[in-house]
Parts: sequence; structure tokens; C-alpha cells
Amino acid sequence: DQQVKQNSPSLSVQEGRISILNCDYTNSMFDYFLWYKKYPAEGPTFLISISSIKDKNEDGRFTVFLNKSAKHLSLHIVPSQPGDSAVYFCAAVYSGGGADGLTFGKGTHLIIQP
Amino acid sequence: DADVTQTPRNRITKTGKRIMLECSQTKGHDRMYWYRQDPGLGLRLIYYSFDVKDINKGEISDGYSVSRQAQAKFSLSLESAIPNQTALYFCATSDGPLIYNNEQYFGPGTRLTVT
Repeated sequence: DQQVKQNSPSLSVQEGRISILNCDYTNSMFDYFLWYKKYPAEGPTFLISISSIKDKNEDGRFTVFLNKSAKHLSLHIVPSQPGDSAVYFCAAVYSGGGADGLTFGKGTHLIIQP
Repeated sequence: DADVTQTPRNRITKTGKRIMLECSQTKGHDRMYWYRQDPGLGLRLIYYSFDVKDINKGEISDGYSVSRQAQAKFSLSLESAIPNQTALYFCATSDGPLIYNNEQYFGPGTRLTVT
């Protein structure tokens, strides 16, 4: 049973436009949410995060929105650039009982077209 | 030099063989993790370690064991490899609990094929 869901395996966006990647979760005990970016043959790299007590976090071209009541978060990239083409993973952290580690979604392959 | 290194980067082994994947880090972090990624799936947590004396099972620990030889080294072993352990394995480190905005740093991955 997947606790973090990314229902779009791929997304194609024109360069300069906005990219919106979506993520849903089922476990209401998740405290913290992160987005990772992954290029082929490399490990994931951290992009941006948001605490469950916030509804928005912004870092340059990247903004993450959290809607706790809907158990939904989204990553906005504006404007999209060719270097943004990668697989994006949504991840969540549950720290109950001292646990650690990330629960990942399946990822969305973002393709930025010139 | 990379902060988190994994050896080997690629490995093909046969069913029933014992294999060890190694991870080293130069970041000085206490926490280390092992994940596996299957095609079309996200990463899943196998084991994690808070320090040399504290090792914890993750979501999919069956069939795996780990050893934290030092703060900088965390090894993953498959005692008797089976084909469904064919996957991409990632090691990661962090400076503290992820819940407190501590970033997790990943190695480049080890591609393991069990025939």
C-alpha cells in the first residue's frame, strides 16, 4: 500500500512555462515533506522541503505548496529550464517512535521541451 | 571528491551468492541509510543507522543485513542473493533527524543484477 503517490509518471512542459508536479499522501502522521531531483546514473539530490505546519515554501524558481486537509502537495517550477529535465521524487518523513528515513513516491519524469 | 561513495557501482552475481555493498562518507554524519529502487518505483528504505551502535530495520529489511563498521562506513549484505533483489541500491547520510530539516545526501548508487 503506497503511502506517497505520484500519479503522473511523466510530464512534458515547454521551456519558460510553469511545471507543476503533484503528490498525494495517505498517512496523516507524516511531519515533513521533501522533493528530490534525480538525473540518470546519479543519486537523488535534495531540492526543497516543507514542514507540515506550513502551507508554502519558496526557494528561487521552486515553490512547494502543502494542503494538509487534502493530503496533497505540489511543486511549482517557474520558469522551467532545460536543466530541469529529470525525475522528481516526492518524499515524506514520519518521526513517530523515533523512526527515521524517507518514504518516496514513484517519481515523475519531467521533460522540458525547447 | 564525492561526499558519499558506493562500491561497487555495478555488480552481477548469481543466485545464492553472498554479496556486500559498501558505502563510505566524508561528511562526518552520524546517520546513514540504505535504500533500493526498482524500475518504475520510488526508493524504499532497507536499513538505517543513527550511529555505530544503533541500527534499525526499514520497510523492506528481509533478506538483507547491515554492518556499521565506523561512523564513515555502512555496508549492506545479501546473505544469499535472489533474482528479485536485482535493483539499484542507494546509500545516504544525514546530520540529524530528517524531521528537523536535516538534508539527506545520496551516493551515486550500485546497480546489482542477480541471475
